[in-house]
Amino acid sequence: GESVGLHLPTLSVQEGDNSIINCAYSNSASDYFIWYKQESGKGPQFIIDIRSNMDKRQGQRVTVLLNKTVKHLSLQIAATQPGDSAVYFCAENIPSSGSARQLTFGSGTQLTVLP
Amino acid sequence: DTAVSQTPKYLVTQMGNDKSIKCEQNLGHDTMYWYKQDSKKFLKIMFSYNNKELIINETVPNRFSPKSPDKAHLNLHINSLELGDSAVYFCASSQLQGSGELFFGEGSRLTVL
Repeated sequence: GESVGLHLPTLSVQEGDNSIINCAYSNSASDYFIWYKQESGKGPQFIIDIRSNMDKRQGQRVTVLLNKTVKHLSLQIAATQPGDSAVYFCAENIPSSGSARQLTFGSGTQLTVLP
Repeated sequence: DTAVSQTPKYLVTQMGNDKSIKCEQNLGHDTMYWYKQDSKKFLKIMFSYNNKELIINETVPNRFSPKSPDKAHLNLHINSLELGDSAVYFCASSQLQGSGELFFGEGSRLTVL
């Protein structure tokens, strides 16, 4: 079954506010997580990743937090802008056949930024 | 220059037809993928090739056949199209197999009538 899931399918925030998008996973052996952004009519785009030896990683206006105890990660977007409106996916990089690994995507959260 | 380009962008066809979607990447990456995104935005991997070798072959009907003529190209051929095949198909590439950073194309929206 799907091991990566999201708490909320939609999220609306005011422009300028901070956004927090949550994701839960079920496999305690999972060690590598990635966030993607998909704008309307486009393919998903890599935002930031985090490995299980870290609990926090920061990028430009984005922060990913990983809580291995409760198997939860979140993506925080500071000072949300209209261009941040998109569907956000968390993904888990897991072993596949042989020595291969593959990305398993969660169901996505639609972020809408209100003027 | 588009890094990962796939054609056609839109494809409308009748049930039972055969169609192909082509993908090319100019990033020099070793690994390419096909993903299917359904109407609820759920993304699921279908196939992955590493240096022209099929390494991931998820449970998809054998009506779907990928082909990688070289490292920069990965095409998807679909036989005997069914209504349930309607979806957006995304091609992607990554520098190495196992990388979490995939570069996606813009998608090919397939509608089966």
